Amino acid sequence: GAVVSQHPSWVICKSGTSVKIECRSLDFQATTMFWYRQFPKQSLMLMATSNEGSKATYEQGVEKDKFLINHASLTLSTLTVTSAHPEDSSFYICSAGRVYEQYFGPGTRLTVT
Amino acid sequence: AQSVTQPDIHITVSEGASLELRCNYSYGATPYLFWYVQSPGQGLQLLLKYFSGDTLVQGIKGFEAEFKRSQSSFNLRKPSVHWSDAAEYFCAVGGNSGGYQKVTFGIGTKLQVIP
Repeated sequence: GAVVSQHPSWVICKSGTSVKIECRSLDFQATTMFWYRQFPKQSLMLMATSNEGSKATYEQGVEKDKFLINHASLTLSTLTVTSAHPEDSSFYICSAGRVYEQYFGPGTRLTVT
Repeated sequence: AQSVTQPDIHITVSEGASLELRCNYSYGATPYLFWYVQSPGQGLQLLLKYFSGDTLVQGIKGFEAEFKRSQSSFNLRKPSVHWSDAAEYFCAVGGNSGGYQKVTFGIGTKLQVIP
């Protein structure tokens, strides 16, 4: 149980375009989902916390207008990277559950060319 | 602010040998502590966690960790490593940060297992 999926697993996009990443809880309902970013040889950095039906809470330094998060249902949260640039290239990971009981997706590798 | 240090970026052990992965944390009160494992193509999987009580915690896959408050450490151990244990291991600390509960991850230790 407690399976979280992400789609796509990897994506390449051109600079200036937008890309959407989906995070789904497959066998449970998730009121809260978390979005992380992981650079090579660095730890997971929490970007934002999303609660179903309300606005996401972003961590300090994360641009809300660039990283749009929507949590419209209890099983789906989406992260849209708007006007992507090469520096947005990274590994994006979502998780679902409670703060101290998170179930992680396998991640999405984003490359912006 | 809470933080986690994993001093070993990469560790190589022989199959069947014992393993210890180091983790030190910084937090003002008693923290919640976690170890996760990440295999390629897989999401982070929880190995074990410490919230309170017995400072020696047993986890899945034969792993254990010991909370040592005096050393601010939560090292992960396994008596005999299997080739399938090759993966990346993340230590994490949970606590109150900026008025809300948050989990902070270490940089990770990549484990290589050789025959």
